[in-house]
Amino acid sequence: DTAVSQTPKYLVTQMGNDKSIKCEQNLGHDTMYWYKQDSKKFLKIMFSYNNKELIINETVPNRFSPKSPDKAHLNLHINSLELGDSAVYFCASSQAGVGSPLHFGNGTRLTVT
Amino acid sequence: ELKVEQNPLFLSMQEGKNYTIYCNYSTTSDRLYWYRQDPGKSLESLFVLLSNGAVKQEGRLMASLDTKARLSTLHITAAVHDLSATYFCAAGPQGGSEKLVFGKGTKLTVNP
Repeated sequence: DTAVSQTPKYLVTQMGNDKSIKCEQNLGHDTMYWYKQDSKKFLKIMFSYNNKELIINETVPNRFSPKSPDKAHLNLHINSLELGDSAVYFCASSQAGVGSPLHFGNGTRLTVT
Repeated sequence: ELKVEQNPLFLSMQEGKNYTIYCNYSTTSDRLYWYRQDPGKSLESLFVLLSNGAVKQEGRLMASLDTKARLSTLHITAAVHDLSATYFCAAGPQGGSEKLVFGKGTKLTVNP
């Protein structure tokens, strides 16, 4: 049973295209996240939702738009893709409250050509 | 603003040796996490440290937290090749914000 699953695993696309990444968790957690890991392995939070409400919105270009239809799902839509968007995007979930670790999905490797 | 620094960023060691990875954070935090990432894989939670003096051990890895020094350590005992991975620490701001700040990671290579 996959706890946090995201699709697709790989995404290769051209500049200017629009793409989406989907994430689902079956852990019953109430908080979900999108993290970006760059080529140097640095992890930075992009967004977080708690029970479908946006609670963290870091300085991210507005070409990135998250959507959470329910607390088990968090999708990420990216418009007008740029070369610099190439990275691995990780979805994660946790139960809100001090002490709950993040559970990460397997990542989506996005390559923009 | 909370900042998290790890050192070293790269660590090459021989099997059987001991070593420590350090994680410093800049402002008060009420929780510290350690994660492991294998190449091309996801991040796996190793330890959650919530109080000053907390120590947790799993196999050859032991993590500790000193909140007064704003320092966590991950100690590796008698390293084996299977421990080769990148290790991240992450801290959360005091007050329970869900925004974790990650260190840059320590790439550990254990040589036979």
